[in-house]
Amino acid sequence: QSALTQPASVSGSPGQSITISCTGTSSDVGSYNLVSWYQQHPGKAPKLMIYEGSKRPSGVSNRFSGSKSGNTASLTISGLQAEDEADYYCCSYAGIVVFGGGTKLTVL
Amino acid sequence: QVQLVQSGAEVKKPGASVKVSCKASGYTFTSYYMHWVRQAPGQGLEWMGIINPSGGSTSYAQKFQGRVTMTRDTSTSTVYMELSSLRSEDTAVYYCARILGYCSGGSCYGAFDIWGQGTMVTVSS
Repeated sequence: QSALTQPASVSGSPGQSITISCTGTSSDVGSYNLVSWYQQHPGKAPKLMIYEGSKRPSGVSNRFSGSKSGNTASLTISGLQAEDEADYYCCSYAGIVVFGGGTKLTVL
Repeated sequence: QVQLVQSGAEVKKPGASVKVSCKASGYTFTSYYMHWVRQAPGQGLEWMGIINPSGGSTSYAQKFQGRVTMTRDTSTSTVYMELSSLRSEDTAVYYCARILGYCSGGSCYGAFDIWGQGTMVTVSS
């Protein structure tokens, strides 16, 4: 199973919106609505931000949203804040666990 | 509150084994499958395997078959991950993570909602 494809880096200014893509195949991202997204700050454990494609766990800001089109899932962060600067990973977990390579978000 | 607390950092020589623990609290231990995920320095997340804390059944990523063993102790709500024949490429932070989802027909589906703080394992001669 190949890793999901994410851009290595994205950036945005405070207050702006950014979108991180996560491309898989018809066997993983395209087949199920089971993509999750994780935020990881340096030296910290990953934190679940989005699950089942678009659901937010309790306590996660509504500035974070998820969507999917075909074999590509997306994470959108609106109203960028300095604390959003982190690495973001997508994951497809439908029988088999496949992670994306990660995207470094820089808030300018 | 729900939390997973892992054992401390380890330094091992090539060829040795390491056993990392993950103690669960704040929820019914046997109701949620547990995963192990590792992250090499500067790299992404890599799934290692899953254990059912209720019955003890396991499933491992092909890459680790024959080298990894996951066990649990229901009396202490603790899962363990043992990795043998260590090599330098096994230097990484090892995380336990609880499943948010369901398992059916031998497969599981979902996400990872609670993570341990991570355990750094360094393999060096």
